[in-house]
Amino acid sequence: DAGVTQSPTHLIKTRGQQVTLRCSPKSGHDTVSWYQQALGQGPQFIFQYYEEEERQRGNFPDRFSGHQFPNYSSELNVNALLLGDSALYLCASSLALSGHPSYEQYFGPGTRLTVT
Amino acid sequence: GIQVEQSPPDLILQEGANSTLRCNFSDSVNNLQWFHQNPWGQLINLFYIPSGTKQNGRLSATTVATERYSLLYISSSQTTDSGVYFCAVAGGYQKVTFGTGTKLQVIP
Repeated sequence: DAGVTQSPTHLIKTRGQQVTLRCSPKSGHDTVSWYQQALGQGPQFIFQYYEEEERQRGNFPDRFSGHQFPNYSSELNVNALLLGDSALYLCASSLALSGHPSYEQYFGPGTRLTVT
Repeated sequence: GIQVEQSPPDLILQEGANSTLRCNFSDSVNNLQWFHQNPWGQLINLFYIPSGTKQNGRLSATTVATERYSLLYISSSQTTDSGVYFCAVAGGYQKVTFGTGTKLQVIP
């Protein structure tokens, strides 16, 4: 049973550039959430996708956008990168119950983004 | 939004010792998970426990939702238990909020 996978593992970008991170959910899951974890802090919720729509969003600017594909995989896009965007980006998947998101989440290994 | 505080922030244990980690939250929740983050950043599911008590080997957890706290018990700690422990909560259909974490170091 494949768990949550993310790519790439590591990424180095320059300030002002754009980046795309990818996530494949655990087999049988249909909901994907993205988190940003700065060094020494807990993960912060960015947004959640279900049925190819953004269902919930945390306190992140519009530079952060996403997409969910029909096969439930998801992308996180960040435009106009800032030094402060350097962090571990985590993807979590879950299974919606009766159309509502379940919060029993399973996390991928993360993508470590460094902005220079 | 919901505030989540974990205590203690740091904990050093001798191998074989027991410990209790606490998670306090500021509002009603109907979803609560405990995670262990290893040194490589992977978040490992420990318990999904919005209420009640669960046990898995040397680990157990209790959530008292009416009093807005959850406890994670680690018995006979091992060096592989080292890392950061997070609780994550959500109320209703609100976004998930992670706690501040407890950094555990188990020394041989």
